[in-house]
Amino acid sequence: DTGVSQDPRHKITKRGQNVTFRCDPISEHNRLYWYRQTLGQGPEFLTYFQNEAQLEKSRLLSDRFSAERPKGSFSTLEIQRTEQGDSAMYLCASSLGTGGDTQYFGPGTRLTVL
Amino acid sequence: AQSVAQPEDQVNVAEGNPLTVKCTYSVSGNPYLFWYVQYPNRGLQFLLKYITGDNLVKGSYGFEAEFNKSQTSFHLKKPSALVSDSALYFCAVRDMANDYKLSFGAGTTVTVRA
Repeated sequence: DTGVSQDPRHKITKRGQNVTFRCDPISEHNRLYWYRQTLGQGPEFLTYFQNEAQLEKSRLLSDRFSAERPKGSFSTLEIQRTEQGDSAMYLCASSLGTGGDTQYFGPGTRLTVL
Repeated sequence: AQSVAQPEDQVNVAEGNPLTVKCTYSVSGNPYLFWYVQYPNRGLQFLLKYITGDNLVKGSYGFEAEFNKSQTSFHLKKPSALVSDSALYFCAVRDMANDYKLSFGAGTTVTVRA
């Protein structure tokens, strides 16, 4: 069990650029989640997948955000036309998908938009 | 709607003394409750959870938490704190009926002095 991995760990970009983050879940986990954490706050739910299907999206996820999980394995989160307000830690988690299961988190990708 | 309150931004204790981190929650149905710990520039590490059954839950690193339905609380405790317990602690809740989205509190910074 190698845990949840995320790439890159840090990303600095200029306002208006597009960025893409990758998450590799624990191999046998069916569910994959994305959260966003800003300084001094707890993580906030963005979206989740059951296998390859995206089942729920938070209203925090504006039209500039898109997430995919092709073939139900790794996932990508893309932010188009980044804004300074997008600066945050983006956390990925995965779980088995059974009732009351535990979500295991990756190390996060810290995005800084200049 | 579901939410978590962590009333203390900071908790300071001496090494060897008992440690308590408070958490209250609000959900429309039955809760699943979780505690996570976060070290600087790292993701969240799972400590323990309450799903059902015994109200006293034991977890990693000597931590335990007690579910109190009447007070809607899930306080984290450790009988004897270590300097290495210094970190940011998050309480989180999930509604059993919407068993995917974790809602986190704002976090409590624990400092254990030698």
